[in-house]
Amino acid sequence: DIQMTQSPSSLSASVGDRVTITCRASQAISNYLAWYQQKPGKVPKLLIYAASTLQSGVPSRFSGSGSGTDFTLTISSLQPEDVATYYCQKYNSVPPIFTFGPGTKVDIK
Amino acid sequence: EVQLVESGGDLVQPGRSLRLSCAAAGFRFDDHAMHWVRQVPGKGLEWVSGIDWNSNSIDYADSVRGRFTISRDNAKSSLYLQMNSLRPEDTAFYYCTRGSGSRFLGYFDYWGQGTLVTVSS
Repeated sequence: DIQMTQSPSSLSASVGDRVTITCRASQAISNYLAWYQQKPGKVPKLLIYAASTLQSGVPSRFSGSGSGTDFTLTISSLQPEDVATYYCQKYNSVPPIFTFGPGTKVDIK
Repeated sequence: EVQLVESGGDLVQPGRSLRLSCAAAGFRFDDHAMHWVRQVPGKGLEWVSGIDWNSNSIDYADSVRGRFTISRDNAKSSLYLQMNSLRPEDTAFYYCTRGSGSRFLGYFDYWGQGTLVTVSS
């Protein structure tokens, strides 16, 4: 089975900081990787798909990169409204097909 | 506007059954695969089951395979999850999510508000 890991599990940064979250797959998944944001008490929201394509309406300070096994989500300038838990998810055809990472909790220092 | 509204969550005893429903609106339902994702309060996300646009491709997480059954009614723009032999570890919020395309594979571009299933005696 392909496992998804994320690092760090949590981070605290200042407003305006550049924040990077890493997601790693235990086997190559090409670019079949999505990122979701879940704000406290809210429903998950799609941010990025195909590893680097920004979903419509998502602020441009969010970006994604990577392919194969290593992926990153970057927030170029952290804003207070970005406080959330971020999950990566693989969706390639190798079982288990839809696997989420454990999440990275981001808050403001 | 895409809307996904789940219903059917409840407090149920172990071993009993429950049926969740998801009413979709704001898009052509039969253009999209649909999925159920669950989340134990305060914990991470777990994909539960998915179904493609015409019900030809269906799959389940190992944790629910043989106990849960997903189905859809395109005429009613509705998705269902029949949950049998419920266990305490099935306690979670259950989210209805829209697949990015008609085929089974894809990311989840819209999520419902969730319905809470609590399995306890």
